[in-house]
Amino acid sequence: GNSVTQMEGPVTLSEEAFLTINCTYTATGYPSLFWYVQYPGEGLQLLLKATKADDKGSNKGFEATYRKETTSFHLEKGSVQVSDSAVYFCALSPSGGSNYKLTFGKGTLLTVNP
Amino acid sequence: KAGVTQTPRYLIKTRGQQVTLSCSPISGHRSVSWYQQTPGQGLQFLFEYFSETQRNKGNFPGRFSGRQFSNSRSEMNVSTLELGDSALYLCASSPSGDSAETQYFGPGTRLLVL
Repeated sequence: GNSVTQMEGPVTLSEEAFLTINCTYTATGYPSLFWYVQYPGEGLQLLLKATKADDKGSNKGFEATYRKETTSFHLEKGSVQVSDSAVYFCALSPSGGSNYKLTFGKGTLLTVNP
Repeated sequence: KAGVTQTPRYLIKTRGQQVTLSCSPISGHRSVSWYQQTPGQGLQFLFEYFSETQRNKGNFPGRFSGRQFSNSRSEMNVSTLELGDSALYLCASSPSGDSAETQYFGPGTRLLVL
């Protein structure tokens, strides 16, 4: 079956540090890949996505590239802020049309200190 | 557009009772999915509905059920509650449920079973 593995953390960084959260997946075909973020007490918000190999998703300074050869979708940001503190989830949806079902990683708690 | 809304936001029930949670998708969205989030199991897919039909179901017992109405609003029901059903229940909507679409999440309903 489909699965997503991401570093679980927690990750603690100082403001302006570089961030990488690793994510690898197992799936047949060409799934769509997503990063969602969850702030305390809230639901999930889409951070970025990529729907085909070699696509780069980007938003709010975050980037991730869909690497089919390494089945990876690592999240990066060059300079984190205190406001980036949240839980980050990597997720995939299977290829093949309309049977929509997200498979999530366990989530990575990021804390950014001033 | 208004976002995905879920009611109630918080619920306390006792073992053996049943509960119904409600989700109103973004206007125009016809696909509604439900997820359970717990500290131990993370985010797990429950089921997905499109045009009042359940198209996909996760690996949950039959105590968990759902339905979708003609206006795309959805409800999920959990009967004979167990302590392990305590969780954050998240609803998400998308226009058609295509695997490349973004799912938009509501704030969740936090259920506590005593």
